[in-house]
Amino acid sequence: GAVVSQHPSRVICKSGTSVKIECRSLDFQATTMFWYRQFPKQSLMLMATSNEGSKATYEQGVEKDKFLINHASLTLSTLTVTSAHPEDSSFYICSARDNPTGSTDTQYFGPGTRLTVL
Amino acid sequence: TQLLEQSPQFLSIQEGENLTVYCNSSSVFSSLQWYRQEPGEGPVLLVTVVTGGEVKKLKRLTFQFGDARKDSSLHITAAQPGDTGLYLCAGSPGNNRKLIWGLGTSLAVNP
Repeated sequence: GAVVSQHPSRVICKSGTSVKIECRSLDFQATTMFWYRQFPKQSLMLMATSNEGSKATYEQGVEKDKFLINHASLTLSTLTVTSAHPEDSSFYICSARDNPTGSTDTQYFGPGTRLTVL
Repeated sequence: TQLLEQSPQFLSIQEGENLTVYCNSSSVFSSLQWYRQEPGEGPVLLVTVVTGGEVKKLKRLTFQFGDARKDSSLHITAAQPGDTGLYLCAGSPGNNRKLIWGLGTSLAVNP
């Protein structure tokens, strides 16, 4: 149980284009999903918290107009990197929380998306 | 600001050796999770600890949550090359607040 998928796993795009990444919880409903960015051999950096049916909450320093998040259903959240530039190249990972009201706060992660902007 | 200090940051050992990774904080967590991540993949949950003093074992991995729920450790016995990866701890402050992440421990087990 608690499987999260992410698509695509790898994308290469030209500078100035937009890229959409999908995150799906396959066997549970996730009212909250999270989007992270990770640099090589470093920990996860939270970009935003995605809540179903409402606006995402962005972390300080993350441009909400550049990283558009939509959480239209209980099993799907999308991250769109708009007008991508080479500095946006990174490993993007989503996660979903399966027990928002319980005592644990376990998050289950997707396999990640490697974005390369040329 | 809550912090979770994870150490060591890098560790390179020989197959068969034992090792311990620590996560320490001055703050209390309602739960703490340990994840393992391989290059190019997402983190995989290893364990969630909730109760102060709790000890959980997963084959050769032993996880402990401090009595005060401020710190945790991961001990690996007789490490194998397959244990190589990035180990991450994450503490939950509770009340739907976001997880607090350690910086990670990059482990390399050499044959």
